[in-house]
Amino acid sequence: GAGVSQSPSNKVTEKGKDVELRCDPISGHTALYWYRQSLGQGLEFLIYFQGNSAPDKSGLPSDRFSAERTGGSVSTLTIQRTQQEDSAVYLCASSTGTGTGNQPQHFGDGTRLSIL
Amino acid sequence: KQEVTQIPAALSVPEGENLVLNCSFTDSAIYNLQWFRQDPGKGLTSLLLIQSSQREQTSGRLNASLDKSSGRSTLYIAASQPGDSATYLCAVVDSWGKLQFGAGTQVVVTP
Repeated sequence: GAGVSQSPSNKVTEKGKDVELRCDPISGHTALYWYRQSLGQGLEFLIYFQGNSAPDKSGLPSDRFSAERTGGSVSTLTIQRTQQEDSAVYLCASSTGTGTGNQPQHFGDGTRLSIL
Repeated sequence: KQEVTQIPAALSVPEGENLVLNCSFTDSAIYNLQWFRQDPGKGLTSLLLIQSSQREQTSGRLNASLDKSSGRSTLYIAASQPGDSATYLCAVVDSWGKLQFGAGTQVVVTP
C-alpha cells in the first residue's frame, strides 16, 4: 500500500554540513507534519503544512531549520550547518484533515540523522 | 502550557493478561486524542483517534476512553499477545491537528 514514504532512512553527516530530508505523503492528503524524536526531548512538533496555506513553523528550533512543500505533495526538511544536538529521528506524517484535527495522522518510518 | 504524561513508563505482563495504559493531560481544552504504537526502528502506527465529543473508541481488542474534564485517557488491550510488545504513545490533538505527545509506555508481553 502507498503509505508515507521518507528518505533517506539513515543519514550520517559531519557537523557543519547541510542535510535534506524528504517526505512523500499519502496521495490526496492535504495536511503534512514534521516531528522530531530524540532521546532527551521525546517527540516534538516541528512544522505543519495545510494545502496552499502558509505553513505553521512554530515548532522549528532555530533558523537553521526550514521546510518546503512543492505542489502540495512532497516536502523537504532542510537543516543547515548541522550541530550534534540535531541528531534525532525525523518523522513525517500526513492526514486528510483540513485543519480541524479530526482525521488521524499516518506516519512514515522516519529518517535517522546522526551528526558526527 | 499543555503537558502530557504517561504512566507507567514501562510495563511487563504475561500473555493473556489485559493491559491498561494511562495518559493524562493538564489542559482539558483538547480537540482530540490519538493513541499510537511504535515498534523499534519504525514510525508510529495509529491505533485509535477519539474525538473530543466522544467518550470511547473501540477497534478489535483495543478500547480507548476519554474523560476531558479529568484530563485522562486510558487504552485497554484485551487478552495481550507477544505481538503487542511495543511502545504505546498518546498524543493530544489541537484544532490544527498538531500533536503533543507523552513520553510513551514501553510494553513487554511475555509468552
